[in-house]
Amino acid sequence: QVQLQESGPGLVKPSETLSLTCSVSGDSISNQYWSWIRQPPGKGLEWIGYIYYSGSTNYNPSLKSRVIMSVDTSKNQFSLKLNSVIAADTAVYYCARWFCSGPTCYYMDVWGKGTTVTVSS
Amino acid sequence: QIVVTQEPSFSVSPGGTVTLTCGLSSGSVSSGHYPNWYQQTPGQAPRTLIYNTNTRSSGVPGRFSGSILGNKAALTITGAQADDESDYYCMLYIGSGIRVFGGGTKVTVL
Repeated sequence: QVQLQESGPGLVKPSETLSLTCSVSGDSISNQYWSWIRQPPGKGLEWIGYIYYSGSTNYNPSLKSRVIMSVDTSKNQFSLKLNSVIAADTAVYYCARWFCSGPTCYYMDVWGKGTTVTVSS
Repeated sequence: QIVVTQEPSFSVSPGGTVTLTCGLSSGSVSSGHYPNWYQQTPGQAPRTLIYNTNTRSSGVPGRFSGSILGNKAALTITGAQADDESDYYCMLYIGSGIRVFGGGTKVTVL
């Protein structure tokens, strides 16, 4: 059974960097696409971006200047860094696996439970 | 900036049918946008209902169906049940590797 687990600080100060890790169990991170999604309190979902196991990335244009995703295949993990955070970055952050067939990725089929990050001094 | 539009809310009677839509601020939605539909209940992670316009994800009941209606993607719940009361999000591929969620539709069954 594939499981994803987000981890990282629950509280980040404004202007600092939010850092989260998604640990994958029951599957290899290799040859697959992985995403981060967030959801501010009481609001909708926002796609942050995706990363391929090789390290290639694609980010939401609205966050692109502040986001870095990376992969550690030796640990079967991938990570998110969001710098210069503000209060509006307060959200539940989810990681997810993409279901892909050939060159096309269709949907996110496995999600983590999510972790709450609050930006506050 | 491309915006994906959804109705904010819908109400449906038990056993009734409701169709949610997913549009684009500019242009029409087609199968080339690979529409996905996700269901989310409070405090839970989303789960996939429909992908690639009309393919049900594993374990999803047959009362959920996806389609293209006019210039929008659509999710239809036929024979709504109480536990269908959730938030529903569509997601579209808009090109260049970019995915966008709609704002979500809150469905109430009463």
